[in-house]
Amino acid sequence: DTGVSQDPRHKITKRGQNVTFRCDPISEHNRLYWYRQTLGQGPEFLTYFQNEAQLEKSRLLSDRFSAERPKGSFSTLEIQRTEQGDSAMYLCASSAVGNEQFFGPGTRLTVL
Amino acid sequence: QKEVEQDPGPLSVPEGAIVSLNCTYSNSAFQYFMWYRQYSRKGPELLMYTYSSGNKEDGRFTAQVDKSSKYISLFIRDSQPSDSATYLCAMSAGTGGFKTIFGAGTRLFVKA
Repeated sequence: DTGVSQDPRHKITKRGQNVTFRCDPISEHNRLYWYRQTLGQGPEFLTYFQNEAQLEKSRLLSDRFSAERPKGSFSTLEIQRTEQGDSAMYLCASSAVGNEQFFGPGTRLTVL
Repeated sequence: QKEVEQDPGPLSVPEGAIVSLNCTYSNSAFQYFMWYRQYSRKGPELLMYTYSSGNKEDGRFTAQVDKSSKYISLFIRDSQPSDSATYLCAMSAGTGGFKTIFGAGTRLFVKA
């Protein structure tokens, strides 16, 4: 499968715990994006990497959120001290040049 | 006012109908326009990608962009039950670091 993959697909955690999600982009894509989607809404931009450099972050990305892409390949998104409001689908997308972003299946987070 | 407005529907049509989906936007800097299809609990799938104004056709799908009216459309001909999904419009002012703004999505049901 040469598409974008995300792991885990589902995560249930208790409030206050830390969680980490992984995204593996399409191999030749140097751009990687993280989005958050809640029920009935479109994806909301969180952050963007070009290779290993994090070039843009949304104001939605509070200091409890951190993202890395250490070698310009896979990326991780960590949420510290989770809150119930963090419950959402976390989507990763990748692109080459241009703006054609290809999405992964998402990680559904439930914070109890 | 949101930057991108999209009627959430639901829109219900009989099989074989022509479907028209629309979005309006307020930011005149948007130049790249996309349509995504999202099945329940899946990641969005890129359907159409257009730059600036004009029409683009791909099989049963036609995307139209009218920048003067800040209005974009997606037409689906000969709709099928498998087209039942949420359709998201998305747009961006540039490539790479320019964040992509999504509409809330329109839920479409095609009845056999």
